Amino acid sequence: AQKVTQAQTEISVVEKEDVTLDCVYETRDTTYYLFWYKQPPSGELVFLIRRNSFDEQNEISGRYSWNFQKSTSSFNFTITASQVVDSAVYFCARNKEYGNKLVFGAGTILRVKS
Amino acid sequence: EPEVTQTPSHQVTQMGQEVILRCVPISNHLYFYWYRQILGQKVEFLVSFYNNEISEKSEIFDDQFSVERPDGSNFTLKIRSTKLEDSAMYFCASRGTGGGNSPLHFGNGTRLTVT
Repeated sequence: AQKVTQAQTEISVVEKEDVTLDCVYETRDTTYYLFWYKQPPSGELVFLIRRNSFDEQNEISGRYSWNFQKSTSSFNFTITASQVVDSAVYFCARNKEYGNKLVFGAGTILRVKS
Repeated sequence: EPEVTQTPSHQVTQMGQEVILRCVPISNHLYFYWYRQILGQKVEFLVSFYNNEISEKSEIFDDQFSVERPDGSNFTLKIRSTKLEDSAMYFCASRGTGGGNSPLHFGNGTRLTVT
């Protein structure tokens, strides 16, 4: 199976620390898409970012940044100056170019303490 | 911003009962999905639906499950005879066109508890 692995089950940081969530994926596809979703304690899944396999440029959005390294099949997510409201489960996911099925990693629980 | 809406937010049912989970996808979207998340576990694909038919389903989606788009707006998931292990959060999702690039927009989920 072409898995998505989030090796960090749970991370705890103190507010204002930077934190990086790791994601490693497997794929045999030439074209594919990678995503990050956030699941706050209220339970919904919130889309954060998508990336296609041809675009290895890193992206920054406010305190969020993403580092896509095709050579290591990784798509890591960094939160700078973390805040308590960042506490959530973060899921990395992968999709094929014309695929329907989004394959999720197991998620990383991020706890930000004040 | 348009949203995917799911009702009810929480459903409790007895084992063996039929349950229907309802979803209203974003209005101009064409692809519809159900995913489930057993408490504390990963989000798992159940089924995708396009052009009024199932386009892909997982091995979880057995004969006890069915989906329907009964009118132009609703998308339902039916579990014919619920089991204890069906207890989970069920997420509906939709997306527009654009191949795998367009992100799935998820509803807030329905928490199903089978007793």
